[in-house]
Amino acid sequence: DQQVKQNSPSLSVQEGRISILNCDYTNSMFDYFLWYKKYPAEGPTFLISISSIKDKNEDGRFTVFLNKSAKHLSLHIVPSQPGDSAVYFCAASARTPNAGKSTFGDGTTLTVKP
Amino acid sequence: NAGVMQNPRHLVRRRGQEARLRCSPMKGHSHVYWYRQLPEEGLKFMVYLQKENIIDESGMPKERFSAEFPKEGPSILRIQQVVRGDSAAYFCASSPRQGREKLFFGSGTQLSVL
Repeated sequence: DQQVKQNSPSLSVQEGRISILNCDYTNSMFDYFLWYKKYPAEGPTFLISISSIKDKNEDGRFTVFLNKSAKHLSLHIVPSQPGDSAVYFCAASARTPNAGKSTFGDGTTLTVKP
Repeated sequence: NAGVMQNPRHLVRRRGQEARLRCSPMKGHSHVYWYRQLPEEGLKFMVYLQKENIIDESGMPKERFSAEFPKEGPSILRIQQVVRGDSAAYFCASSPRQGREKLFFGSGTQLSVL
């Protein structure tokens, strides 16, 4: 049973436009969410996070939105740049039993075309 | 300030051999996580360790897999009697404390079982 789902394996957008990556979760115990970016042959790197007490968190070109009632979050990148082309992972964690353990989705490959 | 160091980057083993994957966390980090990524899938949690303690091993296969994080030296993920299905990328991550921390990932070890 996959508790974090990224239903779009891939997304292609034009440079300068908005990229929207989606993530759904099923475990109502999840209350902290993170996005990671991964380039080939490298490990994931942290991008942005959001606590369940918020519905939006913004950092530069990156904004994460959380809809708790729908158990849905999204990552918006605007404007998109070719260097943003990577695999994006959504991750979620619950306070118990292990607050440090994150459950990851399968990732969405973003391609930004010049 | 060195990041999370994993070695080797690539490891080739024949079926039945042992694989040892090493991870040195970032300086000052005492929490280590191991994740496995199978082809076309996301990162699956395996084990969470602190110095000399296994905190959560709920993602570890029951047989052939073990992990340790000794008082001195790197964390070791050990796979005995490897099978082809063990072929995957193994990522180590660290954090300075337990909780809602972003994880710092190494570049991973790509294990190939012939």
